[in-house]
Amino acid sequence: AQTIHQWPVAEIKAVGSPLSLGCTIKGKSSPNLYWYWQATGGTLQQLFYSITVGQVESVVQLNLSASRPKDDQFILSTEKLLLSHSGFYLCAWSLGGGADEQYFGPGTRLTVL
Amino acid sequence: GDSVTQTEGLVTLTEGLPVMLNCTYQTIYSNAFLFWYVHYLNESPWLLLRSSTDNKRTEHQGFHATLHKSSSSFHLQKSSAQLSDSALYYCALSGSGYNKLTFGKGTVLLVSP
Repeated sequence: AQTIHQWPVAEIKAVGSPLSLGCTIKGKSSPNLYWYWQATGGTLQQLFYSITVGQVESVVQLNLSASRPKDDQFILSTEKLLLSHSGFYLCAWSLGGGADEQYFGPGTRLTVL
Repeated sequence: GDSVTQTEGLVTLTEGLPVMLNCTYQTIYSNAFLFWYVHYLNESPWLLLRSSTDNKRTEHQGFHATLHKSSSSFHLQKSSAQLSDSALYYCALSGSGYNKLTFGKGTVLLVSP
């Protein structure tokens, strides 16, 4: 069975500090991977997707970057956090795009002070 | 770009009454897919329903929805609400970008005895 793990569970960070959030998928080879962000009271907004190692496409510009260093790993990062980065970050995977179901991880709660 | 509009905010119902959550969408892509994802508190979002062909009803766990391309709609319905249906419901669209998923703002359904 496939499992999706995100780390950390929660972070409290200062404005201007760096950030790295991680996501690992086990039990599935070459999945499509996605990062989503949800501001408090807001909708789920897709940030990035990746269909293969080393390739990441940006969907929304939020002064964040993403990388896929391994087939099963997806990293979200920034060198300087903004207050507006606060929210809930979800990683997801799917077999493909289009009609394929996306499977979401447990998420990371980020608070920027 | 793609957009999704759904019943916003909070919908409160008494157990046993019918559920109707509206979802309309905009996309230039003729072969779009629509989804309903459900997000229970302290769980990850998961797929409840996915659209089929135009005017065909899809059902899962007592919920059903029909894609109507003529009206760009994919409303979620259930004949009789249960307490366990209380959750956050998202309508989502896979339209002009094969790996892009656009979510609506979400509807909180609260079912009371």
